[in-house]
Amino acid sequence: DGGITQSPKYLFRKEGQNVTLSCEQNLNHDAMYWYRQDPGQGLRLIYYSQIVNDFQKGDIAEGYSVSREKKESFPLTVTSAQKNPTAFYLCASSLGHATDTQYFGPGTRLTVL
Amino acid sequence: GQQVMQIPQYQHVQEGEDFTTYCNSSTTLSNIQWYKQRPGGHPVFLIQLVKSGEVKKQKRLTFQFGEAKKNSSLHITATQTTDVGTYFCAGTRSSNTGKLIFGQGTTLQVKP
Repeated sequence: DGGITQSPKYLFRKEGQNVTLSCEQNLNHDAMYWYRQDPGQGLRLIYYSQIVNDFQKGDIAEGYSVSREKKESFPLTVTSAQKNPTAFYLCASSLGHATDTQYFGPGTRLTVL
Repeated sequence: GQQVMQIPQYQHVQEGEDFTTYCNSSTTLSNIQWYKQRPGGHPVFLIQLVKSGEVKKQKRLTFQFGEAKKNSSLHITATQTTDVGTYFCAGTRSSNTGKLIFGQGTTLQVKP
């Protein structure tokens, strides 16, 4: 059963702690993306990767880090430097070209206490 | 930077009424995609438009891409409660590869 998974669905962390969000896909897609969703602001791109071992900053990369060591995995670390980390985080993947559909995971809702 | 603006932000309609959301870009787009996100869910791809002036239909949904490839619209005829959710447009610039710019979304509420 092909798809894109994110875990966990809900995550709580104390302020000042780093936290890593998981994203895995078995669609054999080259490109993967991380978005942040806040109410009324749509989807904002954090980082994206079009190929293994390479990734690019999106519009709001500050306070976040990623790695792309395997084609199927694109974990996102929310560091303590991120000023307002509480948000809904969505991972997506696509074949990699501008006209390709993006397939989204179910999302992780992160709450920093 | 490039922006994709979407209006309105919210729309409440009575079941059976029509609904339209508009998407405008500051720059020419190579394509426009539309996604729907149900409450508590994740965005799901609806359709893609590539050609200038293109019109596509999916049952009660009609999608248009402007002649200048800078704007797009989604029109729903005779809304149903199953249409509830947030509709996003997303586009890419002609010179870009793989990176979608999303609009802020229009949240549709349908009163039965």
